[in-house]
Amino acid sequence: KQEVTQIPAALSVPEGENLVLNCSFTDSAIYNLQWFRQDPGKGLTSLLLIQSSQREQTSGRLNASLDKSSGRSTLYIAASQPGDSATYLCAVRPDAGGTSYGKLTFGQGTILTVHP
Amino acid sequence: EAEVAQSPRYKITEKSQAVAFWCDPISGHATLYWYRQILGQGPELLVQFQDESVVDDSQLPKDRFSAERLKGVDSTLKIQPAELGDSAMYLCASSYSPLLSYEQYFGPGTRLTVT
Repeated sequence: KQEVTQIPAALSVPEGENLVLNCSFTDSAIYNLQWFRQDPGKGLTSLLLIQSSQREQTSGRLNASLDKSSGRSTLYIAASQPGDSATYLCAVRPDAGGTSYGKLTFGQGTILTVHP
Repeated sequence: EAEVAQSPRYKITEKSQAVAFWCDPISGHATLYWYRQILGQGPELLVQFQDESVVDDSQLPKDRFSAERLKGVDSTLKIQPAELGDSAMYLCASSYSPLLSYEQYFGPGTRLTVT
């Protein structure tokens, strides 16, 4: 059974700092990995999606890397801003057919607070 | 921009009562997912529909939860009777296809509180 772990559970940084969020998964047979943002009481917004054949994806100040063989991904946020404060979730999709092919397995999230 | 719609956004109910949530996926999306997210945890899949058929409900507590998507468009998730442990965010997502290459889009969720 796939398990996804995110470290740290919570992170508080001053504005302007660069930071790294970590995600690890136990089964390397994944099709892709996705990073989401969730604001308090809201739904999920997709930030970056990395296919298993890719090493990294970038969008603005965000950069996500994937090391499939070691079961790790990182989300790098450059020059953090108070508006980046949210919970960040990573999720993996299995690389197998059958009824589980759509099923995302999520980590528990990292709560990020960026203070002015 | 097309979005997944959910209602209600918030629901407070008493233990043992029945409660229902509604989801309208993005137009043309054949695959619909219901997830449950307990506070402080990541979402967990409850049920997946392909058109009107259930393709995965292995994590759905079938003694009290039911889900339907009668015409293969919108969907309803019901809990009867509700228990205190059902307090959570219920998220609906949809995708054009169940194939791995198609991204899931999430709705705003329904926050359920059972008292």
